[in-house]
Amino acid sequence: QSVLTQPPSVSGAPGQRVTISCTGSSSNIGAGYDVNWYQQLPGTAPKLLIYGNSNRPSGVPDQFSGSRSATSASLAISGLQAEDEADYYCQSYDSSLYSYVFGTGTKVTVL
Amino acid sequence: QVQLQESGPGLVKPSQTLSLTCTVSGGSISSGSYFWSWIRQPAGKGLEWIGRIYNSGSTSYSPSLQSRVTISVDTSNNQVSLKLSSVTAADTAVYYCARVVHRAFDIWGQGTMVTVSS
Repeated sequence: QSVLTQPPSVSGAPGQRVTISCTGSSSNIGAGYDVNWYQQLPGTAPKLLIYGNSNRPSGVPDQFSGSRSATSASLAISGLQAEDEADYYCQSYDSSLYSYVFGTGTKVTVL
Repeated sequence: QVQLQESGPGLVKPSQTLSLTCTVSGGSISSGSYFWSWIRQPAGKGLEWIGRIYNSGSTSYSPSLQSRVTISVDTSNNQVSLKLSSVTAADTAVYYCARVVHRAFDIWGQGTMVTVSS
């Protein structure tokens, strides 16, 4: 079972801004471990979107931004486009489980 | 550009051992400070980390799978392997290999579907 909790779904109209939350605990995000975000388009492998809480790999547009605070993190998608419809996962490390852990995943729908 | 490709049987019988290989191209497994991980995803569900290995052979496994998992590295062939024993239908999933840098999975293979069924 996932130790990082995300909303099952979020939606927005084209051009709008949406945010996805990722709630953890004192043994993962709250312990200072970085949060990473992945985008999984239908039928494809996940792709690293944000690393180290707020950094974008080369090639990822600045419409995607990340932040971390206390025991939670957020991914914001601005200027929502149809091609942003995908599943999004947060990920961190848990010191009590000695494991990498993923969030429950959030499906983003563009209305 | 580093690329990862998973391969192995798509069908495994219950109680048998699932064996997969991840071939790394475009770079050497032995170079750089990277870990190599296996991650799986049942159909319609989320991602589950299975384990990781360093090029030295040092491993770390998910506590929930530790008793059944073995990950190994073959630096001469630039491959990472996964073995999962005593499989059941619950192990049916798409299995991905991924490179790990600073606790982030920065490069992923395309994944391979494994079905456990008699």
